[in-house]
Amino acid sequence: GAVVSQHPSRVICKSGTSVKIECRSLDFQATTMFWYRQFPKQSLMLMATSNEGSKATYEQGVEKDKFLINHASLTLSTLTVTSAHPEDSSFYICSAGDRFTDTQYFGPGTRLTVL
Amino acid sequence: KQEVTQIPAALSVPEGENLVLNCSFTDSAIYNLQWFRQDPGKGLTSLLLIQSSQREQTSGRLNASLDKSSGRSTLYIAASQPGDSATYLCAVRPSSGDKLTFGTGTRLAVRP
Repeated sequence: GAVVSQHPSRVICKSGTSVKIECRSLDFQATTMFWYRQFPKQSLMLMATSNEGSKATYEQGVEKDKFLINHASLTLSTLTVTSAHPEDSSFYICSAGDRFTDTQYFGPGTRLTVL
Repeated sequence: KQEVTQIPAALSVPEGENLVLNCSFTDSAIYNLQWFRQDPGKGLTSLLLIQSSQREQTSGRLNASLDKSSGRSTLYIAASQPGDSATYLCAVRPSSGDKLTFGTGTRLAVRP
């Protein structure tokens, strides 16, 4: 089946630094990718929709200047958490939509810990 | 705005028991509904996907049903095993658009 990778799988950083998370579709082209955040023992909350070659669409309450999304190619989207703070510590999961099968495939997630 | 609720929030059963997890959604205009499994600290594993025109889907010991008009889906797990212990999430995709709305999840523990 289709595979989506995320890198890194785990990152620990100091408060105030920026962290970039990559999401790649390995064997299919994804015109749309989605970024979710999951706090402990809670469900996934959609943060933004990333469209290849255009600006991302952010959900209400998500700061676009803090969570920068770039979708430069049909197989790669990046999420940059700028000036990270402890409250940004969370599990970030991406999904990629296969335009031919009309199915979303999920990455393994990235655990971000901000000290 | 679509809201997805899962009941129960947590469930503990002895090994071998058959069990049912419930998912309800407020807006019946859906394209499909999907059940996922999530192990602690891990990503999502897709279990079953039911299109809006379908009533149920089966995979091994798992059977998912969909009643779109009443806004409900159930995931039936037969002969549960300790390896089934995980959090189970349902997610609905709207009839227009491709954003998924996830349920609150059910944490399942199967005791040996």
